[in-house]
Amino acid sequence: AQSVTQLDSQVPVFEEAPVELRCNYSSSVSVYLFWYVQYPNQGLQLLLKYLSGSTLVESINGFEAEFNKSQTSFHLRKPSVHISDTAEYFCAVSHASGGSYIPTFGRGTSLIVHP
Amino acid sequence: DAGVIQSPRHEVTEMGQEVTLRCKPISGHNSLFWYRQTMMRGLELLIYFNNNVPIDDSGMPEDRFSAKMPNASFSTLKIQPSEPRDSAVYFCASRPQGGSGYTFGSGTRLTVV
Repeated sequence: AQSVTQLDSQVPVFEEAPVELRCNYSSSVSVYLFWYVQYPNQGLQLLLKYLSGSTLVESINGFEAEFNKSQTSFHLRKPSVHISDTAEYFCAVSHASGGSYIPTFGRGTSLIVHP
Repeated sequence: DAGVIQSPRHEVTEMGQEVTLRCKPISGHNSLFWYRQTMMRGLELLIYFNNNVPIDDSGMPEDRFSAKMPNASFSTLKIQPSEPRDSAVYFCASRPQGGSGYTFGSGTRLTVV
């Protein structure tokens, strides 16, 4: 079985400050890792994913996450946040084999960006 | 593409009534998923389909819940009879063959009073 822990339920930051949203997972097999973002009253949107290759993955809006196998982590970072980044962020993990790729989602971290 | 389309966006119903939630996946996606989101439990997978066939419904909470996918472009999630504890946001998501990431709909916010 796989599981995901998002260590912070809420992260308040000021605009233009850096932010890190933490995600740790547990799995006995190789994994794929994902970050999704949910804006108010909307569905989840895929932000970025790690499948293989470079352990550092980036999104088009300045977020990045690094797969750290030894620490079983996939923390999400952004060097300078905007008000518009205020949203709920979900980390997810799925097995990297078997074909079903059904992810397990974390409980989410609410990023609140203050002006 | 219009994305995954869910209807209705909001539903308020009285306890005991039947509720039907609808989903149209992205054309060409062959996997469809129903999730429920609540503050208490977070995001829960209820059921998923591959090529219109239900693969895993172990997340369906009770026999009051049922889901169908009569064709590749339409799925329903039905609750009969509904109860106040069913109040949640229900999401539908779809994924292409061999794909790893989901596309979610905007959800249906269900309130059972």
